[in-house]
Amino acid sequence: KNEVEQSPQNLTAQEGEFITINCSYSVGISALHWLQQHPGGGIVSLFMLSSGKKKHGRLIATINIQEKHSSLHITASHPRDSAVYICAVGTSGSRLTFGEGTQLTVNP
Amino acid sequence: NAGVTQTPKFRILKIGQSMTLQCTQDMNHNYMYWYRQDPGMGLKLIYYSVGAGITDKGEVPNGYNVSRSTTEDFPLRLELAAPSQTSVYFCASSNGRERETQYFGPGTRLLVL
Repeated sequence: KNEVEQSPQNLTAQEGEFITINCSYSVGISALHWLQQHPGGGIVSLFMLSSGKKKHGRLIATINIQEKHSSLHITASHPRDSAVYICAVGTSGSRLTFGEGTQLTVNP
Repeated sequence: NAGVTQTPKFRILKIGQSMTLQCTQDMNHNYMYWYRQDPGMGLKLIYYSVGAGITDKGEVPNGYNVSRSTTEDFPLRLELAAPSQTSVYFCASSNGRERETQYFGPGTRLLVL
């Protein structure tokens, strides 16, 4: 079993829909990261969470430490949100463990 | 700032050849990482460094070597390339440990035939 599990693996939505991507992990963590990988391959960091909730524009990330679960929400989705979304967890130390990613396609 | 740069963007190697993937960052980050990404799989850590002169193995170090002689540069060396090393390689850097944002380079696509 992977330490980091994402669901769903693939997600197709219509423009304007509310989207949720889930991440569950099996180890104690000190930080959880959400990243976005563009269709061209580039990877950018979206959020780092250690507790609670963060919001940036139409993106919201939440984490429940007790349940070892995080969600990434996208409100009013747009075709430009189409990308792979990756969850990664950090334990003590400088290393991250990555999930396999969720491929999101938003159709106009 | 250019951020994290990687060269080359794409390379084809024959089995048994060697090459060095270059990675440079201009953010004065102490922490640098090499990952590989195989289709449908999560990023796997190959090697990392917490400062000049200090490197350590990640999850999948076999077949690779690294060095860190300066803060800016973190080259990854492939000796005796094998088809199993066909992958996309990403270099990343950060200002600290697991709570710090990692900044990624654009990636190097490597094909070993």
